[in-house]
Amino acid sequence: EDQVTQSPEALRLQEGESSSLNCSYTVSGLRGLFWYRQDPGKGPEFLFTLYSAGEEKEKERLKATLTKKESFLHITAPKPEDSATYLCAVISGGYQKVTFGTGTKLQVIP
Amino acid sequence: GAGVSQSPRYKVAKRGQDVALRCDPISGHVSLFWYQQALGQGPEFLTYFQNEAQLDKSGLPSDRFFAERPEGSVSTLKIQRTQQEDSAVYLCASSSRGTGETQYFGPGTRLLVL
Repeated sequence: EDQVTQSPEALRLQEGESSSLNCSYTVSGLRGLFWYRQDPGKGPEFLFTLYSAGEEKEKERLKATLTKKESFLHITAPKPEDSATYLCAVISGGYQKVTFGTGTKLQVIP
Repeated sequence: GAGVSQSPRYKVAKRGQDVALRCDPISGHVSLFWYQQALGQGPEFLTYFQNEAQLDKSGLPSDRFFAERPEGSVSTLKIQRTQQEDSAVYLCASSSRGTGETQYFGPGTRLLVL
């Protein structure tokens, strides 16, 4: 069974203080790893899809990287509007379902 | 273009009532997924449709849960004889092709069973 573990559970940063969120996964045959952002009371908003180890993707202040065991979401010089819960998810092998982690709740303080 | 929409956004039900939750996927998207999200947790897979065919329902927690997508577009998740433990946010997502594709989520329906 696929497993996804995200750390830390919560992270509090000062505005401009860069950091990284971790997503460790155990799957048989990764087909894709997804990062989503979720604001309170809303559905997850797609950020990135990574398919193979070594792949990197960037969007504004966010950069996602992937290895064979984990993915990182790097946040550079965050702003208060980056405050949200960041979810990691994987899909593997012949399975149809996506397995999510429990998320990292990020708070960026002005 | 329009994203995934869900209705109602909020539903309060008395224990034992039946509820129906609707999902309108992005136009043309072949795949549709339902998830259940408890407070402070990540979404958990319930079921998956490819067009009108329900290919995986392994995540449905009991036989009180039923989903359909009769014309391969709009989907309905029905919960019969609701219980308090059914209280959660129910999320719908769609993707353009198969399950390896990015899924786009709706805003969710928040269900509270009293």
